[in-house]
Amino acid sequence: DGGITQSPKYLFRKEGQNVTLSCEQNLNHDAMYWYRQDPGQGLRLIYYSQIVNDFQKGDIAEGYSVSREKKESFPLTVTSAQKNPTAFYLCASSSRQGFAGELFFGEGSRLTVL
Amino acid sequence: QKEVEQNSGPLSVPEGAIASLNCTYSDRGSQSFFWYRQYSGKSPELIMSIYSNGDKEDGRFTAQLNKASQYVSLLIRDSQPSDSATYLCAVSLGGSGYSTLTFGKGTMLLVSP
Repeated sequence: DGGITQSPKYLFRKEGQNVTLSCEQNLNHDAMYWYRQDPGQGLRLIYYSQIVNDFQKGDIAEGYSVSREKKESFPLTVTSAQKNPTAFYLCASSSRQGFAGELFFGEGSRLTVL
Repeated sequence: QKEVEQNSGPLSVPEGAIASLNCTYSDRGSQSFFWYRQYSGKSPELIMSIYSNGDKEDGRFTAQLNKASQYVSLLIRDSQPSDSATYLCAVSLGGSGYSTLTFGKGTMLLVSP
């Protein structure tokens, strides 16, 4: 079955530690995205990538980093510079390059900073 | 600053009723509009997209778009308890050039048996 796999589903981190969230898709989609969702809030875009080896900052990129070395993979690193990292992180992909509307989401990774 | 506004709810309707969810957006150049459903603790899933003024129907769901009023709505007919979820409105500039989605904060819908 095609889809997007995010891991881990739950992650606990101590303050000051970097953590990397994995996102893998086998949908052959060109575009991939990382969103953050806080309780009672909508989705806010962190980073997105339309093609391999290229990515752009979203609305809240500070304290995060990404890479896109393979079409299937778009990992997100939450660095110690991110002041309030506790959130639900969602990875998504889109089949239509240049069109961001019809997104397929992974199941999400819930990060808690202790 | 692009904004998408939704009433946070909860919107409570009895089973079998019509649920009406509303969304307004600030960027008059927006061209693509979407409704995503998100169950508690789960990720969003796309349920409707609409690109031109008027109504678009898909089963029990109808999306309505009025670009002059910068207003998009989602009607759910014959509401079922399984429709209880948060509904996210999302808007994109679309057209030529690349544009990302801007999401509203969502409206929680509760359908009581």
